[in-house]
Amino acid sequence: QQPVQSPQAVILREGEDAVINCSSSKALYSVHWYRQKHGEAPVFLMILLKGGEQKGHEKISASFNEKKQQSSLYLTASQLSYSGTYFCGTVASGAGSYQLTFGKGTKLSVIP
Amino acid sequence: DSGVTQTPKHLITATGQRVTLRCSPRSGDLSVYWYQQSLDQGLQFLIQYYNGEERAKGNILERFSAQQFPDLHSELNLSSLELGDSALYFCASSGGRVRNTEAFFGQGTRLTVV
Repeated sequence: QQPVQSPQAVILREGEDAVINCSSSKALYSVHWYRQKHGEAPVFLMILLKGGEQKGHEKISASFNEKKQQSSLYLTASQLSYSGTYFCGTVASGAGSYQLTFGKGTKLSVIP
Repeated sequence: DSGVTQTPKHLITATGQRVTLRCSPRSGDLSVYWYQQSLDQGLQFLIQYYNGEERAKGNILERFSAQQFPDLHSELNLSSLELGDSALYFCASSGGRVRNTEAFFGQGTRLTVV
């Protein structure tokens, strides 16, 4: 079952902040965040692991609430290069821990 | 460059035909994942292999099959193609279990069924 992302789309002016949310109905082991620009491959941004470990991007931060199976991606002081579609991917705990399931994505547009 | 290579980059074929998409993972990566992305849609998980064994299966049609070979490259076979199979097919690889390791995506194969 795929995670649910919100909002579906957001438009920002350069320098503004945004938050993208991701929630799952399953107990999660980890949450991944990727960004995809039009016509390109998704690019890894960050992984948040059960227990609090994080690996990833220097300028983008995220949180993972294990009890609520929710994650949020925080984009601060947005730049034009942040434009793209952001996908959260979830790995369920237990038997499903080999599968990375993505949400439908959040389209972010940063304008001058 | 992610290090994941997919061939071909573009493929145009007729309905009813069969095609094979190829993926070479990053050097040393044991896991390979296949995803389908239709126009303006998310990434639909198809199937995953770890060191030659199938480990997870998603919404993969019976007309589709995949395998991972001893040299770790993988192939996705699509048969009896329909117009609705037109999509971008991505392969990704990771060094360990994806629950704690990032996945790296190839540039994709754009399949057009006419």
